[in-house]
Amino acid sequence: EVRLVQSGAEVKKTGESLQISCKGSGYGFTTSWIGWVRQTPGKGLEWMGIIYPGDSDSKYSPSFQGRVTLLVDKSLGTAYLHWSSLEASDTAMYFCARLVGNWYNAYYYYYADVWGEGTSVTVSS
Amino acid sequence: DIQMTQSPSTLSASVGDRVTITCRASQFISIWLAWFQQKPGQAPKLLIYKASSLESGVPSRFSGSGSGTEFTLTISSLQPDDVATYYCQQYNNYPYTFGQGTKLEIK
Repeated sequence: EVRLVQSGAEVKKTGESLQISCKGSGYGFTTSWIGWVRQTPGKGLEWMGIIYPGDSDSKYSPSFQGRVTLLVDKSLGTAYLHWSSLEASDTAMYFCARLVGNWYNAYYYYYADVWGEGTSVTVSS
Repeated sequence: DIQMTQSPSTLSASVGDRVTITCRASQFISIWLAWFQQKPGQAPKLLIYKASSLESGVPSRFSGSGSGTEFTLTISSLQPDDVATYYCQQYNNYPYTFGQGTKLEIK
């Protein structure tokens, strides 16, 4: 069974750093992209970025570029979402998801087939 | 970024009804669209990919159609377990983008 297991809820102060994790199992971790999605009541679901564990190639959505860092540890089969300095606006639920591809016209189109259970992050001053 | 617009935002229907949710993309996305179901306190669950392909294990009462910029998710006979919020998401261009969601309730 393919599973993504995320780390537990976090309560932090503004300006603090944070790293949450997403551990994959039941499939070849290094051969599938992992994506991160933020969910808030105000903005709904937003893709933050994706990372390829095989070589750590990553793509960030413009809204999140420079605000977060995507990391992986292949030896642990784990992806990470890192903030160096949290803001109150980072309060949200964060999901990781495995991406699988449809091959068409020499290009892969990736969609999320398996999701982690989510990590709640609360940031206050 | 490609904007995805769903309608309606909320939908109330009776058990056994045929339910349709529409999703419109702000530009051409071919068939690269997925539909997700999210229940309160849970992660999104993939229902449909490539606009009309049913994910393994998803009941056959769910179906998807469309291409280009107009897409629909249909539930052929609404069941109580289908109460959830439904999202479309394009994966033609990065950054991928979601619709704002359609909350489905039972009358």
